[in-house]
Amino acid sequence: AQSVSQHNHHVILSEAASLELGCNYSYGGTVNLFWYVQYPGQHLQLLLKYFSGDPLVKGIKGFEAEFIKSKFSFNLRKPSVQWSDTAEYFCAVRGSGGYQKVTFGTGTKLQVIP
Amino acid sequence: DAGVIQSPRHEVTEMGQEVTLRCKPISGHDYLFWYRQTMMRGLELLIYFNNNVPIDDSGMPEDRFSAKMPNASFSTLKIQPSEPRDSAVYFCASSSTGTGVPYEQYFGPGTRLTVT
Repeated sequence: AQSVSQHNHHVILSEAASLELGCNYSYGGTVNLFWYVQYPGQHLQLLLKYFSGDPLVKGIKGFEAEFIKSKFSFNLRKPSVQWSDTAEYFCAVRGSGGYQKVTFGTGTKLQVIP
Repeated sequence: DAGVIQSPRHEVTEMGQEVTLRCKPISGHDYLFWYRQTMMRGLELLIYFNNNVPIDDSGMPEDRFSAKMPNASFSTLKIQPSEPRDSAVYFCASSSTGTGVPYEQYFGPGTRLTVT
């Protein structure tokens, strides 16, 4: 069975600080990986995804994530955060196998202080 | 497209009452998911459908929960009887293997359920 771990539950940063949110997954085969963002009071939206090819993927709003297969990781990064990045971030994994089921991590709450 | 539509947006009910949550997926999407989000447990997949057929309901917490998808444009999640521990935000999401980003799930705005 696939699983996802997000070790940082709550992160507080000042504006312009760099961000890295950890995500580790567990699955024995090929995976598809996602990061979703949930702004306060809103629904989840896709930030970026990895399916194949270049392990460094770029998403919206200056976010990027790197897939490191040997470490089973897919960490999310942003070089300089803004107050508007305050949100909850969810890593998700889907084991390639023809099924749609995506397993979400427990989420990391990011608070950016102006 | 209007996106995934859920109703009601907020529901307050008393313990023991029946609650029905509704979802209209994006037109043309063939997968529909129901999730529950709480502070304690995060985002949990309850059940998902493919072409209106339930595929995996292993996340449904107990027999008090049931979900149906009578057609491609409508699904319900029912809780009967409701209990205070069912209080959560319930999200519906849909996706398609045919177009757009494969397997990207589009989420609805959620229904915030409070059971007193």
